[in-house]
Amino acid sequence: DADVTQTPRNRITKTGKRIMLECSQTKGHDRMYWYRQDPGLGLRLIYYSFDVKDINKGEISDGYSVSRQAQAKFSLSLESAIPNQTALYFCATSDWTDYGYTFGSGTRLTVV
Amino acid sequence: AQKVTQAQTEISVVEKEDVTLDCVYETRDTTYYLFWYKQPPSGELVFLIRRNSFDEQNEISGRYSWNFQKSTSSFNFTITASQVVDSAVYFCALHAGAGSYQLTFGKGTKLSVIP
Repeated sequence: DADVTQTPRNRITKTGKRIMLECSQTKGHDRMYWYRQDPGLGLRLIYYSFDVKDINKGEISDGYSVSRQAQAKFSLSLESAIPNQTALYFCATSDWTDYGYTFGSGTRLTVV
Repeated sequence: AQKVTQAQTEISVVEKEDVTLDCVYETRDTTYYLFWYKQPPSGELVFLIRRNSFDEQNEISGRYSWNFQKSTSSFNFTITASQVVDSAVYFCALHAGAGSYQLTFGKGTKLSVIP
């Protein structure tokens, strides 16, 4: 099994729908992140969490929310999806001792 | 604030040519980490290298090599004898400072290797 698992891998949803992207990890890392990738823009940070009780906004958090259900699980929600949220979403974990980052395989989300 | 600049948006080379991907970073921190990732057409991010700010030695791994120069704030990546399988988007990223909470990515360089 992958160290960081994202579900679903691909999703098409309609404008206005609520959607949740899930991420689970077996790395034992405390730090978890959600990034968004748009063509030509690199990856940008949406939210991050350093432990179960810690949630922080990143660079582009508007329109998104997150939940850290356990050390190993970090989910991203789009409360009311809009077409410009069409993107590739990555979950990541990191080890604070050596800053090694592990990325999931990505979720390709299309909002129509 | 941290910033990573990859000035080359797209590069095309003919197979077996050498190619260098440029990365320039900005940070005021003295402790930082630099990364390169490869993103093939399938979309996943493949980790290539991590280098900390105290280690300026160049590194070679097979056909890949990295040149880290603090004097010019650059961390360039060279592929020798390129192959079609090297076609991908390559990202340079920076993690800076003990209290930093994220990787800051460049916008990526799309490399196309033509047979």
